[in-house]
Amino acid sequence: LAKTTQPISMDSYEGQEVNITCSHNNIATNDYITWYQQFPSQGPRFIIQGYKTKVTNEVASLFIPADRKSSTLSLPRVSLSDTAVYYCLVVADQTGANNLFFGTGTRLTVIP
Amino acid sequence: DAGITQSPRHKVTETGTPVTLRCHQTENHRYMYWYRQDPGHGLRLIHYSYGVKDTDKGEVSDGYSVSRSKTEDFLLTLESATSSQTSVYFCAISDFERGRSSGANVLTFGAGSRLTVL
Repeated sequence: LAKTTQPISMDSYEGQEVNITCSHNNIATNDYITWYQQFPSQGPRFIIQGYKTKVTNEVASLFIPADRKSSTLSLPRVSLSDTAVYYCLVVADQTGANNLFFGTGTRLTVIP
Repeated sequence: DAGITQSPRHKVTETGTPVTLRCHQTENHRYMYWYRQDPGHGLRLIHYSYGVKDTDKGEVSDGYSVSRSKTEDFLLTLESATSSQTSVYFCAISDFERGRSSGANVLTFGAGSRLTVL
């Protein structure tokens, strides 16, 4: 399992863009970078997944440099409801036997 | 959560008693998983299933057994609960099919079952 390193916590004001960076120096060729969000008393929820360059969906953008040793989750114009724990995972392609390592994630607090 | 239900949501039990947690899905997904989440450990895989009657162990399977007699239900059993099994248990499902789709497996999680063993 490729380990990931991300900040323990971040604070942001409402309306700002938030960038959470994740380091994954040992990422393998067939690994994808996947981000989940978890609210208190709920299960993790998939946000976005990418392999290289940039991926964007209705929730977030994911930026992955050419060496793939890090990635950045970008949340545009956050609101109070974005307060949650965000997990960066490196997940191997073509396996259903997932042993996802969530770690402790990044606790994002959005301030009014 | 979209088509996945866990029961019970909360349970308090005593050491040595058997406990069964149920995960029910309406998505007809092939893969189902049981995780536990503990402070400082993130989520850890207990068991998973890749079809009816097809199960395999995860990282922390000792003390747990599972059964999947039909596609929609995946049961997690603690034969004799211990205090170390106090945790929040999450079920997850996935429509992963090897070779069918690109990208890594994405899981949909249930709301969790909080188990306290006294």
